[in-house]
Amino acid sequence: ELKVEQNPLFLSMQEGKNYTIYCNYSTTSDRLYWYRQDPGKSLESLFVLLSNGAVKQEGRLMASLDTKARLSTLHITAAVHDLSATYFCAVDISDTGTASKLTFGTGTRLQVTL
Amino acid sequence: NAGVTQTPKFQVLKTGQSMTLQCAQDMNHEYMSWYRQDPGMGLRLIHYSVGAGITDQGEVPNGYNVSRSTTEDFPLRLLSAAPSQTSVYFCASSSQYSNQPQHFGDGTRLSIL
Repeated sequence: ELKVEQNPLFLSMQEGKNYTIYCNYSTTSDRLYWYRQDPGKSLESLFVLLSNGAVKQEGRLMASLDTKARLSTLHITAAVHDLSATYFCAVDISDTGTASKLTFGTGTRLQVTL
Repeated sequence: NAGVTQTPKFQVLKTGQSMTLQCAQDMNHEYMSWYRQDPGMGLRLIHYSVGAGITDQGEVPNGYNVSRSTTEDFPLRLLSAAPSQTSVYFCASSSQYSNQPQHFGDGTRLSIL
């Protein structure tokens, strides 16, 4: 059974600081997804990581994937208040070869303070 | 282009009632899934479909039924609602292209009294 663990579960950080969210998973996979969720809202796709060593960046967020270590990281650079949200990683091990059957981590609630 | 549309947005049921949560997508996606989200937890897969006429169980299928008669629609049925099914339900769809994520609807907030 696939397990996906995120840490930390809650992160309070000051504006301007850097931090990293970690996502570990228990079964070999080369498809990992990061999502953002604002309170009471749906999930917004941030990154799709499809191979070992994949790195994607968008603004102050950068995601990477190490399939050998079964680890993905989401790095936040110079945080701003607008990044406050819950961040989920999700892994797919289905044989469809696409995002069809995701197993989610429990999420990291990020709070950026002034 | 509406994406993934879920109805209703909110619903209150009494224990033992049945109901259907509707999900429709207009992106011609092959794959559709239903998840539930409980406080402090990530999303858990209930059922999924890899195409019209083909469905399978996810991690928490008990108490739910699905069918996929068309590519566009993937309704979720609660057979006899229980308080443990109080949750937020998300429908998602995805294409056959591996570099695309699943796209999520806005969710249905369901309370069972």
